Amino acid sequence: KQEVTQIPAALSVPEGENLVLNCSFTDSAIYNLQWFRQDPGKGLTSLLLIQSSQREQTSGRLNASLDKSSGRSTLYIAASQPGDSATYLCAVRPNRDDKIIFGKGTRLHILP
Amino acid sequence: GAGVSQTPSNKVTEKGKYVELRCDPISGHTALYWYRQSLGQGPEFLIYFQGTGAADDSGLPNDRFFAVRPEGSVSTLKIQRTERGDSAVYLCASSFSVTGELFFGEGSRLTVL
Repeated sequence: KQEVTQIPAALSVPEGENLVLNCSFTDSAIYNLQWFRQDPGKGLTSLLLIQSSQREQTSGRLNASLDKSSGRSTLYIAASQPGDSATYLCAVRPNRDDKIIFGKGTRLHILP
Repeated sequence: GAGVSQTPSNKVTEKGKYVELRCDPISGHTALYWYRQSLGQGPEFLIYFQGTGAADDSGLPNDRFFAVRPEGSVSTLKIQRTERGDSAVYLCASSFSVTGELFFGEGSRLTVL
């Protein structure tokens, strides 16, 4: 059974720093992986989708990498800003027709 | 529509009552998902539809929960005999295909007193 873990549960960093959020999954055979952002009391906003054949995806200051063999993905945020404060969730689709499984998220706080 | 729309945004009900939560997906999206999220937790899968049919309903916790998508667009999540433990945010998402990027609505916050 696929399980998704995100550590740490919470993270505070000063504004301007580069940071990495981690996601690990127990079964390396995945179809794709998606990173989301969730603001308090809001729904989820898709950030990046990585297919199993890809190693990374980039969007602006965000870069997500995927290493299936080690069961890991990282979300790199460059030059962090207070507006980046949110919960970041990682989600894995195990197979083509499978439901998507979420981690519990990392709550990020950027200190002004 | 421009995004996934969920109604109501907030619902307060009494234990034992019946509740319906509605999801209007992005136009043209064939896959529709329902998740439930409790405070401090990641979304928990309930059910997903491909077109009108439920492709996977393994996440529905018991037979008090039921979801329909009769015309392959709008979906309704129905909860009978609500219990306090049903209190959560119910999230709906849609995607263009079953393997595509998911787009979420703002959620329906259900509180059972």
